[in-house]
Amino acid sequence: GQQLNQSPQSMFIQEGEDVSMNCTSSSIFNTWLWYKQDPGEGPVLLIALYKAGELTSNGRLTAQFGITRKDSFLNISASIPSDVGIYFCAGPTSGSRLTFGEGTQLTVNP
Amino acid sequence: EAGVVQSPRYKIIEKKQPVAFWCNPISGHNTLYWYRQNLGQGPELLIRYENEEAVDDSQLPKDRFSAERLKGVDSTLKIQPAELGDSAVYLCASSLGAEAFFGQGTRLTVV
Repeated sequence: GQQLNQSPQSMFIQEGEDVSMNCTSSSIFNTWLWYKQDPGEGPVLLIALYKAGELTSNGRLTAQFGITRKDSFLNISASIPSDVGIYFCAGPTSGSRLTFGEGTQLTVNP
Repeated sequence: EAGVVQSPRYKIIEKKQPVAFWCNPISGHNTLYWYRQNLGQGPELLIRYENEEAVDDSQLPKDRFSAERLKGVDSTLKIQPAELGDSAVYLCASSLGAEAFFGQGTRLTVV
């Protein structure tokens, strides 16, 4: 089936650093969603993107819908310890099935 | 406004026993999803409902898994009998459009 590939799989950064992660697909997407999951909790929606080239911010988070419609990027500026968690990209694939990537595990060292 | 509510939060059962999970979606959301999430992986769709109709259940192991969404509101996911490999987090989500909102999940451990 269709897959979303996220990279990197994990990141270890110092507090205050900026973070970039991305998500790619072999097929075109019309919507990209970015979620964050804390341990023991369900994923929480961070940003939704609906248009190729769209750049959307939510506080220190910025996400972009790639021009090719086959990728998306998430940036976190000036990271803080509470940014720790797993970040997932997701999008509707065949038949409107919401499909998730494997996640990027972010660790922030104080 | 209340979010997606799932119960129980945790469940430990012996293999071959039945287990059921319950989900109450956000009011007014006609789409309801059940996902399974294994450790270190992203959520994988088991079944999706549009109102009371299961429109995508191709990834639901129908020999032991069943789900229902009577009246198009809350939903129950059942496993009977459970196997060791069913240990995972079961997530429920609901949506009105493309943006799905998740509950806290039920962590199932089969021993």
